[in-house]
Amino acid sequence: GQQVMQIPQYQHVQEGEDFTTYCNSSTTLSNIQWYKQRPGGHPVFLIQLVKSGEVKKQKRLTFQFGEAKKNSSLHITATQTTDVGTYFCAGRTQGGSEKLVFGKGMKLTVNP
Amino acid sequence: KAGVTQTPRYLIKTRGQQVTLSCSPISGHRSVSWYQQTPGQGLQFLFEYFSETQRNKGNFPGRFSGRQFSNSRSEMNVSTLELGDSALYLCASSFGGRGLEQYFGPGTRLTVT
Repeated sequence: GQQVMQIPQYQHVQEGEDFTTYCNSSTTLSNIQWYKQRPGGHPVFLIQLVKSGEVKKQKRLTFQFGEAKKNSSLHITATQTTDVGTYFCAGRTQGGSEKLVFGKGMKLTVNP
Repeated sequence: KAGVTQTPRYLIKTRGQQVTLSCSPISGHRSVSWYQQTPGQGLQFLFEYFSETQRNKGNFPGRFSGRQFSNSRSEMNVSTLELGDSALYLCASSFGGRGLEQYFGPGTRLTVT
């Protein structure tokens, strides 16, 4: 079945650093969504990308959808301790059942 | 607007028992999806309901079932519980169209002993 892989699974950064996390699908997606789950909380929707090559920014977060609509990236600039949590990408399959398939998440810890 | 609510928040059951979890979506949302979250497997899709009909189903055994009522509230049932069913069960609602963002509830933490 369709798989969505996230790399890395864990990321530890120093406060103020930039980093990028990636999401790769085995099949072409109709759209991709990103969610953030704080420790002890539930996933919260961040953004959705629909168009090939689309780039969206939310303050220090930049999201990109690949040209082939099979991968996506999240880049965080000047990481802050408030960025701590697990980031999930979720890809919507094309046609047929159009399931939303989540990656296993990227757990971010920040050293102040 | 009130968020997605799930009851109960915590549950302890023993192997072989069955359990029913409840989810009330955001008012006006017609789609409800259920996910199982475990540390090793991340978020795994169980099923999605829209207008009382199951629209999608994940790869879980038949012990996992669900339903949706006319007011969009949803329940999921797990029969003959196994230790491996211990997890956080999350419910998410969306307005209805495919491709829309999902709003998650706080989850039900199920522990099977």
